Amino acid sequence: DAGVTQSPTHLIKTRGQQVTLRCSPKSGHDTVSWYQQALGQGPQFIFQYYEEEERQRGNFPDRFSGHQFPNYSSELNVNALLLGDSALYLCASSLAWAGYSPLHFGNGTRLTVT
Amino acid sequence: KNEVEQSPQNLTAQEGEFITINCSYSVGISALHWLQQHPGGGIVSLFMLSSGKKKHGRLIATINIQEKHSSLHITASHPRDSAVYICAVHFGNEKLTFGTGTRLTIIP
Repeated sequence: DAGVTQSPTHLIKTRGQQVTLRCSPKSGHDTVSWYQQALGQGPQFIFQYYEEEERQRGNFPDRFSGHQFPNYSSELNVNALLLGDSALYLCASSLAWAGYSPLHFGNGTRLTVT
Repeated sequence: KNEVEQSPQNLTAQEGEFITINCSYSVGISALHWLQQHPGGGIVSLFMLSSGKKKHGRLIATINIQEKHSSLHITASHPRDSAVYICAVHFGNEKLTFGTGTRLTIIP
C-alpha cells in the first residue's frame, strides 16, 4: 500500500520562473492538502483539494495555484517565483468522510529559488 | 487570533530520560495532532486527539481542553527519538495551524 508520494524531491529554479510540484495521495484517499515549510518554521497551509476543487485556502497569493485530477493526484503551481518561495513543500492526503483523521504526509519537495 | 505555541524550542537530553514537550493554543479546537519530522523532511503522524490521553509504545499524548494545553511525553528516550516534534490544531472547521516545532536531541 503506497503512501503519499511527491515529485521531484529537489528542485532549483531562478527568480521569475514557474514551477510545478506533484503529489499522489495514499491509496484510498480523496483529499489532498499542500503546505509550505520555510527553514526552521512550522508548515503553513496553502490549500486543500477535494473532488477536483479547491475547498480551503490559506494566506497565499494567487501566484500559488493547484489542481486535482480524477485519480485524486494533485499539482501545486507557483508562478513568478520569488527568493522567499524557497522552502520545503509538503503534501498530505486524507479521506473527506473521515472528518478529523490522522495525517499522511509525503516526504516533500525542497524548492530552492536563486 | 488562532495561535499555537510550543515549548521548549530546543531540548537536549541523555538517553533514557523522560521527555515532555508542551503545546498551548489560543482558543477552542476541534482536534490536535502531534507530528514527528526527521531531518530528511518527511512528517509522520504520531497522535490525533480531541480529549483525554493516548498511548503508543513509549509515547504518550495528553490534552486538557479547559486549559487549552497538550503534552507529548517520551519515556525511556533513545537517540532514534531525535527529531522535530510539531503540534498542529484544527480551530473549529478551519485549516490546520502548526506550531514551530520542538527540536529534540537525545545523546547516547
